[in-house]
Amino acid sequence: EVQLVQSGAEVKKPGESLRISCEGSGYSFTDYWIAWVRQMPGRGLEWMGNIYPTDSDTRYSPSFQGRVTISADKSTNTAFLQWSALEASDSAMYYCARRWEVSGSPPFDYWGRGTLITVSP
Amino acid sequence: SYDLTQPLSVSVALGQTARISCGGHNIGGKTVHWYQRVPGQAPLLVIYINTRRPSGIPDRFSGSTSGNTATLTISRAQAGDEADYYCQVWDGGNAVFGGGTKLTVL
Repeated sequence: EVQLVQSGAEVKKPGESLRISCEGSGYSFTDYWIAWVRQMPGRGLEWMGNIYPTDSDTRYSPSFQGRVTISADKSTNTAFLQWSALEASDSAMYYCARRWEVSGSPPFDYWGRGTLITVSP
Repeated sequence: SYDLTQPLSVSVALGQTARISCGGHNIGGKTVHWYQRVPGQAPLLVIYINTRRPSGIPDRFSGSTSGNTATLTISRAQAGDEADYYCQVWDGGNAVFGGGTKLTVL
């Protein structure tokens, strides 16, 4: 069974750093891109970027380029999303999702349950 | 950037048909996917490549595209279908999601 297990909720202060994780199991982790998706309170889904764990090829949404870092450790089948200095506006639910290369415009076929990040003074 | 427009909410009577639209410039020329998000649960892919259903998704769910609108149709709506629904496409190497539609089953 394919699973993406995300790390637990975090409460942080502005300016702090943070790294959250997404561990894949039940499939060959290095064969699929992993994406990160943000959902701010009361808002829709926003694609942040994705990474190919085999070679760590990474693509970012222009909206998130320079604001976050996406990485992966293929030895532990884990993808990461990292901030160096959080802002209150980073408070949101963050999902990881597997990209299914079934077409040239692939869907996301499996998702984690999300990691809730709260940034407050 | 490419924008996808969805109605904020759609209501449907139990057992009736719900239609959720997703508007975008020439979306009929793109590949559209649909996701269901129940609060507290991971999002679920319900339609991919415009019309296809993943394994395990009932045939009550169907998708179509034409011109500037893609549509997710849910037939014989059930209480368990109450959720947020999102359309998604790729544009210039970036994934784009619609704003989401809250489906209420009355």
